[in-house]
Amino acid sequence: ETGVTQTPRHLVMGMTNKKSLKCEQHLGHNAMYWYKQSAKKPLELMFVYNFKEQTENNSVPSRFSPECPNSSHLFLHLHTLQPEDSALYLCASSQDSGRGDTQYFGPGTRLTVL
Amino acid sequence: GQQLNQSPQSMFIQEGEDVSMNCTSSSIFNTWLWYKQEPGEGPVLLIALYKAGELTSNGRLTAQFGITRKDSFLNISASIPSDVGIYFCAGQVGGANSKLTFGKGITLSVRP
Repeated sequence: ETGVTQTPRHLVMGMTNKKSLKCEQHLGHNAMYWYKQSAKKPLELMFVYNFKEQTENNSVPSRFSPECPNSSHLFLHLHTLQPEDSALYLCASSQDSGRGDTQYFGPGTRLTVL
Repeated sequence: GQQLNQSPQSMFIQEGEDVSMNCTSSSIFNTWLWYKQEPGEGPVLLIALYKAGELTSNGRLTAQFGITRKDSFLNISASIPSDVGIYFCAGQVGGANSKLTFGKGITLSVRP
């Protein structure tokens, strides 16, 4: 238990569906991150939020839309995804993204796009 | 861009053996991290290294931050079946740049 929770743990969706992934951290951190993990590839950073402000968008397609209503919650809204978007989506948090603090990961959401 | 190299992709060892994993980079990092990921879970931080030359232990795990700041190694002693998983190294430039660069990971299998 790392203090970062993600729901759902598994999600299967069609290409025309709209769904959302949720991440919550109980560590009192101010920075939250979305990563994509595909088989045999390094983890890919998608988005970074620091004190609720987006500080990094790593050239992610617009079919992925993040939302950070407060420092404890992070969402990833999904629509019109492609099969190649199937992956494990990991959320992480750290004290402050501007200081290079250690990141702690949630268990991930395994997404399958049909 | 920055890349971290971990090889081989998979390692198979006998229970009780020691194992060592390297991580190398063409560029300098100021923080090195080692994570372990088990099936169905996210990466869990094992050891964080903040200073060149630093040697840090966490139980049976020992990791070192290379003097050149371009490499790190992780050693697991007296392996047990629950050591099975994927071991990732990650480098961080630090300061205002918190971005983590990950290696592809090494899948460790331990034969009882």
